[in-house]
Amino acid sequence: LAKTTQPVSMDSYEGQEVNITCSHNNIATNDYITWYQQFPSQGPRFIIQGYKTKVTNEVASLFIPADRKSSTLSLPRVSLSDTAVYYCLVGDPRLKTSYDKVIFGPGTSLSVIP
Amino acid sequence: DAGVIQSPRHEVTEMGQEVTLRCKPISGHNSLFWYRQTMMRGLELLIYFNNNVPIDDSGMPEDRFSAKMPNASFSTLKIQPSEPRDSAVYFCASSLESQSYQETQYFGPGTRLLVL
Repeated sequence: LAKTTQPVSMDSYEGQEVNITCSHNNIATNDYITWYQQFPSQGPRFIIQGYKTKVTNEVASLFIPADRKSSTLSLPRVSLSDTAVYYCLVGDPRLKTSYDKVIFGPGTSLSVIP
Repeated sequence: DAGVIQSPRHEVTEMGQEVTLRCKPISGHNSLFWYRQTMMRGLELLIYFNNNVPIDDSGMPEDRFSAKMPNASFSTLKIQPSEPRDSAVYFCASSLESQSYQETQYFGPGTRLLVL
């Protein structure tokens, strides 16, 4: 199981771009990288998933270098409503038993300041 | 789509009582997950069902915890007897397992359990 390491917390002002980096040095060949967002008093919500290079959707971008030992979640022009905990997960979603080993770490608590 | 539905949203009970948490996954999803979240331990996977069959319950804390999925649209997580250390937010999530890599989990709003 690929372990992930993220900063515990980050602060940012409104309107700034926020980059959250996740380290996963022992990522396996078939592993994908998935990011979830969790607001207070809610369940986690899928943000983005990728395997290599760059993935972009309406919410965020995910940058993955060639060695795939880390990944960076980029949130453009954050607002107060982006204050949440962001989790980085690594695993092979094609394996039928992959999710019995999925572990949500402590995540990164992002605070957006007015 | 109503999303994953959990009930009750809040539960307060006394130590020793039986607690039953309920989950209705998203229609068409064939995988269901129960998680527990606390400040100390974060989000922990308790058990995972695929096509109504428990695949791995190694995350279940102890014999006081049991989970069932009698059909594709309903699952329960039962704690009997409950203890104060069981106080946490319990999340249910579902996903569609297929050959596609886009196996996203959709989480419910959670049940906040307080055992006095």
